[in-house]
Order: sequence, then structure tokens, then C-alpha cells
Amino acid sequence: DAGVIQSPRHEVTEMGQEVTLRCKPISGHDYLFWYRQTMMRGLELLIYFNNNVPIDDSGMPEDRFSAKMPNASFSTLKIQPSEPRDSAVYFCASSLGTSYHEQFFGPGTRLTVL
Amino acid sequence: SQQGEEDPQALSIQEGENATMNCSYKTSINNLQWYRQNSGRGLVHLILIRSNEREKHSGRLRVTLDTSKKSSSLLITASRAADTASYFCATGYSTLTFGKGTMLLVSP
Repeated sequence: DAGVIQSPRHEVTEMGQEVTLRCKPISGHDYLFWYRQTMMRGLELLIYFNNNVPIDDSGMPEDRFSAKMPNASFSTLKIQPSEPRDSAVYFCASSLGTSYHEQFFGPGTRLTVL
Repeated sequence: SQQGEEDPQALSIQEGENATMNCSYKTSINNLQWYRQNSGRGLVHLILIRSNEREKHSGRLRVTLDTSKKSSSLLITASRAADTASYFCATGYSTLTFGKGTMLLVSP
């Protein structure tokens, strides 16, 4: 397996634009997680899915953020409209379960909002 | 607030030396995990220790867990330049909460 795949790897956009981040989890993993990493706040869980269903989105900072998982092999994280404070590295991770299971992380998308 | 907090924030050592990083957490856990992150990369799982375990080994890694003190330590023995990375502890039941990490620099 190629591991968790994320695209794009880098995204530079202007304030107010829509941004869509994409993730392909490892085949067979039932859980998918979206994280945001910044120097100030560290690694924060935004939302996670189980069998394509969103379970907990309490980490999503604002209504400008939305996430979908239309099928077991694809998820998107959308920011509309984007703001400079959204600049961060966004990671997708997948796992076989929650407790007692390791998470496999993608390489991340570095987002810069000007 | 972060569940796990690593100490020290940064650690600089020479190749061949041992590196010890600590993690403290606030609430009860059923397992604790350590991850490594190389610059510009995603996190990579290193080791998982369950709450009923006190020590676990994996290659040059040794992890201890003291649930009475709500703390864990990660020891890397005979460090190499390739061990240069940030190291995070993560705790939780259904989801993981990560600390801010320890940046380890191993100089040749």
C-alpha cells in the first residue's frame, strides 16, 4: 500500500478563496482523521470519520471549515472563505480503530493564505 | 488544553549518546503512544504502551509508563544523526491528543 495520500502538498491562496484539501486513506482502514498543525497550537484534531460517517467535528474551528467522506477511499477538507490565520499544515491520518491502534499519517498539505 | 506535554521542548546531543524525553498527561488513559516527525513530514508511529504495562522495548527505543504519576518516558539509546526529529506523545481513549513535542537534534 502507498500509505495515506494527500494532495496538494503545498497550497498558496489569497484570503477569501476556497481551499479544498484531499486525502486517500489506507485501504481497509475504517477511521480517518483530519489534523491541523501550527507552531502555536501544536497538532489539533479537527474531525474524524468512522466508516465514512463523521463522528466528532468538535475540533472544526468555524463554519468556514467543512469535511466530507463520500466513500471509503476519499475525503476532503474544505475552507471557504479562507483567512490568513488558517495557514498551517493539515494532516490526514487513518487507522483500523481508535483505542490501541496506531494512526498512519499522510505527508500533509502546507497551506499558506495571503 | 493538551492532554500530553513533552519535556524538554528541545534536546541536543552527540551521536552515540542516549536521549530521554518525558511526557506528562492529566487524565486517566488506556494507552499512550509515541510518534516521530521528521522535518516536513507526517508523524510516524513508534510504540504503544498500554496502561497495564510499565515498560516496553522496540529496537533502540525503551518506553516506560507510570500511571500513578501520569507520566511516560521515551529513551533512545546509542542515538544516530538520523534520529534527529520531533517526538510526540499521544494519549486518549477514542481519539488521540498530542503534545507539542520534543525537538531532538543529534549531531555527528
